Amino acid sequence: AQKITQTQPGMFVQEKEAVTLDCTYDTSDQSYGLFWYKQPSSGEMIFLIYQGSYDEQNATEGRYSLNFQKARKSANLVISASQLGDSAMYFCARTHLTSRAGGTSYGKLTFGQGTILTVHP
Amino acid sequence: EPEVTQTPSHQVTQMGQEVILRCVPISNHLYFYWYRQILGQKVEFLVSFYNNEISEKSEIFDDQFSVERPDGSNFTLKIRSTKLEDSAMYFCASSTRGGARSMNTEAFFGQGTRLTVV
Repeated sequence: AQKITQTQPGMFVQEKEAVTLDCTYDTSDQSYGLFWYKQPSSGEMIFLIYQGSYDEQNATEGRYSLNFQKARKSANLVISASQLGDSAMYFCARTHLTSRAGGTSYGKLTFGQGTILTVHP
Repeated sequence: EPEVTQTPSHQVTQMGQEVILRCVPISNHLYFYWYRQILGQKVEFLVSFYNNEISEKSEIFDDQFSVERPDGSNFTLKIRSTKLEDSAMYFCASSTRGGARSMNTEAFFGQGTRLTVV
């Protein structure tokens, strides 16, 4: 099975500091996508950031950036200037990409175990 | 902003009863998924659906489960005879065929239906 591993069950960070959440993956696919989702205590899955395996630059979305190291098969999430509202569970996920007529499509997402982030004031 | 909508947000049912979880995917999306998350655990893939048929399913998706797209807008997950271990959050998701640029901004999960089997 092609696994996603998040080795940090829990992380703590001081408000306004940066934090890195680790994610490594195991894949034999040539084309794949990597996602990070945030899940607050209310339960919904909030998309944060996406990185394609073919992207040469690391993805950034506001305070979120993805440190993508393809050779190491890692896709760590960096949150800069942490806020109290960032306290949540964070999931890394991977999908296989398939090229079809008209474009590229996702396959199913395989998720890691999650990391609980707690931001302290 | 378009979103995936799931109803109900909470469902309590007795063991052995049938439940139908409903989802309205984003209107121009072609691929539909159900995932589940048992409390405190990771999100697990159940089934994917494309072109009016199941494209992939997991071991979890046994004969008790079925999916349907009855009317071109709804996408439903039916559990025929619920068991206690079916208690979980069920997420619907949808996606579209797109080039690389369209993918990195798509957040495609619904808010989830919390199913409690008693």
